[in-house]
Amino acid sequence: QKEVEQDPGPLSVPEGAIVSLNCTYSNSAFQYFMWYRQYSRKGPELLMYTYSSGNKEDGRFTAQVDKSSKYISLFIRDSQPSDSATYLCRLYSGGGADGLTFGKGTHLIIQP
Amino acid sequence: KAGVTQTPRYLIKTRGQQVTLSCSPISGHRSVSWYQQTPGQGLQFLFEYFSETQRNKGNFPGRFSGRQFSNSRSEMNVSTLELGDSALYLCASSRDSAGEQYFGPGTRLTVT
Repeated sequence: QKEVEQDPGPLSVPEGAIVSLNCTYSNSAFQYFMWYRQYSRKGPELLMYTYSSGNKEDGRFTAQVDKSSKYISLFIRDSQPSDSATYLCRLYSGGGADGLTFGKGTHLIIQP
Repeated sequence: KAGVTQTPRYLIKTRGQQVTLSCSPISGHRSVSWYQQTPGQGLQFLFEYFSETQRNKGNFPGRFSGRQFSNSRSEMNVSTLELGDSALYLCASSRDSAGEQYFGPGTRLTVT
């Protein structure tokens, strides 16, 4: 079983829709949960950083962590064509770079 | 505040050659991690340096090596290049752990 599962997509939605991106994981040691956005041929950009369970909101983005279900989500409200990118989840248990794992990313397309 | 910079941005090498990539972290960041990103494997962790010491290492052959200088700048070296080494090589820096990392734009290496 892979440590982190993330649907690669592509996920195509119309402009203005609410987007839901998800990752599931198996290792209960993960405590820190991050979402990165990566545009084509660019490095990943940190979007959201959360610790433990709960919700965190930043503008049109909401990150949700459910540690009991080992499930994390990123919601994008009022989606824009500029949101078209690959979204990667990143999970970290602490203690150094060998305690982190990336999902393979979901390719999101927002249709104008 | 300047972000993470990587040089060169693009590189074409032939099999058997060696290559050195450079990364300058965000000012004040002491941890530098290197990743390889390919379409099939996603983001894979190579190694992390902290205060000039390799703190963690991923599952890559010994052809991949790195170092960090006293000013936190880091270099990565790949010897005896293989076709499969063609990838986007990303550097990420963080203040004192591998938690909240910020990525550079990457170096796209093509091996022919």
